[in-house]
Amino acid sequence: ETGVTQTPRHLVMGMTNKKSLKCEQHLGHNAMYWYKQSAKKPLELMFVYSLEERVENNSVPSRFSPECPNSSHLFLHLHTLQPEDSALYLCASSQEVGFRGGFLVFGPGTRLTVL
Amino acid sequence: DQQVKQNSPSLSVQEGRISILNCDYTNSMFDYFLWYKKYPAEGPTFLISISSIKDKNEDGRFTVFLNKSAKHLSLHIVPSQPGDSAVYFCAASERSASGGSYIPTFGRGTSLIVHP
Repeated sequence: ETGVTQTPRHLVMGMTNKKSLKCEQHLGHNAMYWYKQSAKKPLELMFVYSLEERVENNSVPSRFSPECPNSSHLFLHLHTLQPEDSALYLCASSQEVGFRGGFLVFGPGTRLTVL
Repeated sequence: DQQVKQNSPSLSVQEGRISILNCDYTNSMFDYFLWYKKYPAEGPTFLISISSIKDKNEDGRFTVFLNKSAKHLSLHIVPSQPGDSAVYFCAASERSASGGSYIPTFGRGTSLIVHP
């Protein structure tokens, strides 16, 4: 595997389910990010981790819970989501937070549908 | 309120012609501006960037122009090729409140279609 990988690529869940999104970067980077892309909206920053420490939490509801067990892995735990949370969830990494003014390597995303 | 605006959701261009994608911003503290390209079923990939101390940066067929007084930047693709058909995101970053890092703020994207 190279670059940034995300699993699953597609996820359909009910509002009462608990699920997790997984991201892995194979680049030796120290920073990882979660972004959300809803239809016809800008990419929205959710969380930033630097060396497994959360450095940014962009007023995200508590039904989204990130976890960064090491600098290569990032999870997004989901519980009691709402239909409006349906979106493309993108993971990204960078050599360090703010590298080259915002140079990020993105994964392919997880398309989430909440019924 | 959006700090980075891409007001044209789509653009259609003939192969070989110039594509011009526009982006406006409201935050005068932005120091870096970046363009990302996204194909369907893939994540965005970095294309080109420019710092606020410059007004032009060129990389092959891609040139970004920055007009700080107008808070406007544009991406020029010359000549356009069918493989350039993708969604283009404009992004901008400023030093964070903690004094450290630059984390990009993105626009909504412009879908470019280049016709053969």
